[in-house]
Amino acid sequence: SQQGEEDPQALSIQEGENATMNCSYKTSINNLQWYRQNSGRGLVHLILIRSNEREKHSGRLRVTLDTSKKSSSLLITASRAADTASYFCATRSNFGNEKLTFGTGTRLTIIP
Amino acid sequence: SAVISQKPSRDICQRGTSLTIQCQVDSQVTMMFWYRQQPGQSLTLIATANQGSEATYESGFVIDKFPISRPNLTFSTLTVSNMSPEDSSIYLCSVQTGGDQPQHFGDGTRLSIL
Repeated sequence: SQQGEEDPQALSIQEGENATMNCSYKTSINNLQWYRQNSGRGLVHLILIRSNEREKHSGRLRVTLDTSKKSSSLLITASRAADTASYFCATRSNFGNEKLTFGTGTRLTIIP
Repeated sequence: SAVISQKPSRDICQRGTSLTIQCQVDSQVTMMFWYRQQPGQSLTLIATANQGSEATYESGFVIDKFPISRPNLTFSTLTVSNMSPEDSSIYLCSVQTGGDQPQHFGDGTRLSIL
């Protein structure tokens, strides 16, 4: 079963607005990663945040991690039409295994 | 990051047949994984492809249905055997170069079973 739950499941905003997606997970993690998927293609890695980090930035992306609440958020600022995609969080467990467990995903639509 | 080539990119197959998907990486990697993404769903790990030994399968996936090979550190194959319409999915390979590094994915194989 999926460990991560993401909300909202779908989000539509106007171009230029900010988009926030949330991810919750259940067990202790080593790191949490965010991915983007365009129209059923492969996944593009966006950001990796480690369990001892609270916030990371990459360009227009900002990720936060709250391990006490077992949650993370992805903020995309100044959205563009090209940001239209599905976004997934994925967690790597603390228990010596490299595998990722993916969340349910958020479908983001940017309206021009 | 590693460049991952996955073939075929898509295929339409008949019920009862088998298809082998290839994943080639441009550099040696420690970990290779195979995922399935059913229509409209998230990704589910099928197995970890181990170099020189049998793959490690996740609950719900068995070797007879999804045999995996990994003959070296840059190549792996996943076979989907005796296909049925329920196997219609995107199959993705991913790699990890080691340690606390992100996984990187191929473009996936979109498989439709008639």
